Amino acid sequence: ETVMTQFPATLSASPGERATLSCRASQSVSDNLAWYQQKPGQAPRLLIYRASTRATGVPARFSGSGSGTEFTLTISSLQSEDFAVYYCQQYNNWPPITFGQGTRLDIK
Amino acid sequence: EVQLVQSGAEVKKPGESLKISCEASGYSFSGYWIAWVRQMPGKGLEWMGIIYPVDSDTRYSPSFQGQVTISADRSISTSYLQWNSLRASDTAIYYCAKVRQGRKDAFDIWGQGTMVIVSS
Repeated sequence: ETVMTQFPATLSASPGERATLSCRASQSVSDNLAWYQQKPGQAPRLLIYRASTRATGVPARFSGSGSGTEFTLTISSLQSEDFAVYYCQQYNNWPPITFGQGTRLDIK
Repeated sequence: EVQLVQSGAEVKKPGESLKISCEASGYSFSGYWIAWVRQMPGKGLEWMGIIYPVDSDTRYSPSFQGQVTISADRSISTSYLQWNSLRASDTAIYYCAKVRQGRKDAFDIWGQGTMVIVSS
């Protein structure tokens, strides 16, 4: 099983700041890596797939990078609606498809 | 509009059976894998399994193999997640999600979730 580790577990930041979230895979997942955003009481929403491709309708302030085992999600200028929990997911080595434990992005 | 609409919340007793549903619309249901994901209260996302409706090819996470059954009915564009004997530890929100393209891709459309509460 490919274990996905996200860090930090919690990130506190202010609106307008840049946020960088990290995700590490226990073995290579190539670029088969996605990022999701989940707000309280809502289903997850796909932000990034293939490590760096924004999903339809996702604002340009969200960007993804990395390949192999190290990945990053960057939010260039935080908006109030961006404070949520973010999950990475690998879909290269399955079953099972695996998610990271999540990074909670809080307002400072 | 492409969407997945899940069945409503359930409250069951331990030992009871349950089948929840996920109805697809706005796209060709048979041509895309559908995954099921569990989220226990206050916890993260866990992939349970996946089904390809065109031939019902189904794969399970080792953590859920033998505990649940995933199925699909192409005639009504619906996937199902089923338990024969619920436990309190099955209390969670269950999501279905459509795989974007092919077999190795992200989940681009999610259902709204079905909350399952198992309590005596």
